[in-house]
Amino acid sequence: GNSVTQMEGPVTLSEEAFLTINCTYTATGYPSLFWYVQYPGEGLQLLLKATKADDKGSNKGFEATYRKETTSFHLEKGSVQVSDSAVYFCALGNNDMRFGAGTRLTVKP
Amino acid sequence: NAGVTQTPKFQVLKTGQSMTLQCAQDMNHEYMSWYRQDPGMGLRLIHYSVGAGITDQGEVPNGYNVSRSTTEDFPLRLLSAAPSQTSVYFCASSYSIGTSGKATDTQYFGPGTRLTVL
Repeated sequence: GNSVTQMEGPVTLSEEAFLTINCTYTATGYPSLFWYVQYPGEGLQLLLKATKADDKGSNKGFEATYRKETTSFHLEKGSVQVSDSAVYFCALGNNDMRFGAGTRLTVKP
Repeated sequence: NAGVTQTPKFQVLKTGQSMTLQCAQDMNHEYMSWYRQDPGMGLRLIHYSVGAGITDQGEVPNGYNVSRSTTEDFPLRLLSAAPSQTSVYFCASSYSIGTSGKATDTQYFGPGTRLTVL
């Protein structure tokens, strides 16, 4: 069946550090892949997405590349800010939507 | 646009009590859904709807009922609350419905309801 596995947190970084949050998936066919972000006290909101292999989704300095050969969609940002502190969810859309467990990121000044 | 709204934000119930979580959207989306979020488990689909008068079960439907009388509203009812239903509940809507009848594209989430059952 469809599933998503993302790296466990929490992740704590200093401001301007490089961020990687790993996400791998299992699915048949050609799923769409998403990263959602949840800021404290709020619902999830779409951060970026990719709909086919080798697509790169990007938004607000974050990016992720759809790698079919490694079944991965890792989230990266070159220089994190305190305002990026949130929980990040990897998700897969195939016959339904499957979410990873979430990774909590804390960025310290 | 208000997007997806949910009420209440917080609720404490005693075991056996019933209540309704409200959800509304003003984006004219046909697809609406309810998820629960538990630590370490991501989001799990409870019930979903592809339009007014049409609802179906998701991954974890037991103990919950839904109805969809209008495009805008999709309330979730807890029939007899249990401590296992302590969770954060999110309502979501989508403009796109996959061939399976479930959303497989971008969803828009409400701010959530944090429910504690004692």
